[in-house]
Amino acid sequence: DAGVIQSPRHEVTEMGQEVTLRCKPISGHDYLFWYRQTMMRGLELLIYFNNNVPIDDSGMPEDRFSAKMPNASFSTLKIQPSEPRDSAVYFCASSPLEIGGASNEQFFGPGTRLTVL
Amino acid sequence: GESVGLHLPTLSVQEGDNSIINCAYSNSASDYFIWYKQESGKGPQFIIDIRSNMDKRQGQRVTVLLNKTVKHLSLQIAATQPGDSAVYFCAEKLETSYDKVIFGPGTSLSVIP
Repeated sequence: DAGVIQSPRHEVTEMGQEVTLRCKPISGHDYLFWYRQTMMRGLELLIYFNNNVPIDDSGMPEDRFSAKMPNASFSTLKIQPSEPRDSAVYFCASSPLEIGGASNEQFFGPGTRLTVL
Repeated sequence: GESVGLHLPTLSVQEGDNSIINCAYSNSASDYFIWYKQESGKGPQFIIDIRSNMDKRQGQRVTVLLNKTVKHLSLQIAATQPGDSAVYFCAEKLETSYDKVIFGPGTSLSVIP
């Protein structure tokens, strides 16, 4: 298995532009998570899906952020318009279902390093 | 309140020595505690977890200890190797949400060859 795949690995854009980050979870995993990592705030959960349905988006910073999961093998995180403070590494992770909920073991992708100028 | 910036605690250990990484938690309602390792340029990777009704759990070269009385969690790495150099996160899963994992700020481990 190739693991969780994210693209692009690096993105440099200008303030005001739309940014779309992509994720392919591990096949068969029921849960997909989007995280943001910065030195200031550490690793923050933005949103997660169960069986393609958004369950908790309380971590999404503001309306400029949106996420979709149109099918079990693909998810996007979109920022429109982007701002310099959105610069961070964005991780996608997936996990299988275990008794009671998502497994404690989440499988992370390599991340997308976003720089907004 | 929020931190102005995260200054990761750093632990330097001689190769071959044992490492102990500590973590304090505040939520008594956590049902699971989990350790993740993040190497430079990569995503976090699961190491080991422990349920709140346990005090100790051992894995391959790692041991996690849980002291609920003082809300303290530790990860012990035996015979530390250069490949163990990474940032280590303790994380918790609340009984109120069996899906979400809440990550702590992390500790940077540096192994001296």
